[in-house]
Amino acid sequence: EPEVTQTPSHQVTQMGQEVILRCVPISNHLYFYWYRQILGQKVEFLVSFYNNEISEKSEIFDDQFSVERPDGSNFTLKIRSTKLEDSAMYFCASSEARPTGGSSTDTQYFGPGTRLTVL
Amino acid sequence: AQSVTQLDSHVSVSEGTPVLLRCNYSSSYSPSLFWYVQHPNKGLQLLLKYTSAATLVKGINGFEAEFKKSETSFHLTKPSAHMSDAAEYFCVVGSAGNMLTFGGGTRLMVKP
Repeated sequence: EPEVTQTPSHQVTQMGQEVILRCVPISNHLYFYWYRQILGQKVEFLVSFYNNEISEKSEIFDDQFSVERPDGSNFTLKIRSTKLEDSAMYFCASSEARPTGGSSTDTQYFGPGTRLTVL
Repeated sequence: AQSVTQLDSHVSVSEGTPVLLRCNYSSSYSPSLFWYVQHPNKGLQLLLKYTSAATLVKGINGFEAEFKKSETSFHLTKPSAHMSDAAEYFCVVGSAGNMLTFGGGTRLMVKP
């Protein structure tokens, strides 16, 4: 069964450093997402991406964050200058397509996550 | 705006007894609702999805959930718990723009 994969599983970095988290979505999916979960808190939406553009982003997704699909398979989240409060589990997800009508949400398939620790 | 409340952060059951994980949602329109499960060191796995076709939704591993609009609830149930069901369960509401809003999660413990 196709899966979303993420690398690395754990990343430790120093405050102020740039990090890139990588995801390989399911191959025929067209929508891509990043979510994060700070320890002890809820899973939070960061950004959605479709047709090489950000389609939605939350207030968390400020100028320090960027996303990219550099080739036909990878989807990346970059944090330019990490802060202590960026320490969290970051989940990538993908879905086949946005439904053509109504309010139905397409099913999102999640990767195993990358645990980011900022020291 | 939409929100999800999972009423219990921890639920403990004995193997072979029923499971009930409670979820209430708030949404300004007819929502899509999901339950996801997360086993240790694993990703979020979809258990089931409600999209207004039927109020009782059957999912994987014997789980089901019932959508009750009057109560704004979407509780997850299973008739008989198995040890392998021990995990964290998330109730999730979707928006028309595909953004998911998660509940706080319920950790299910299954005692032998």
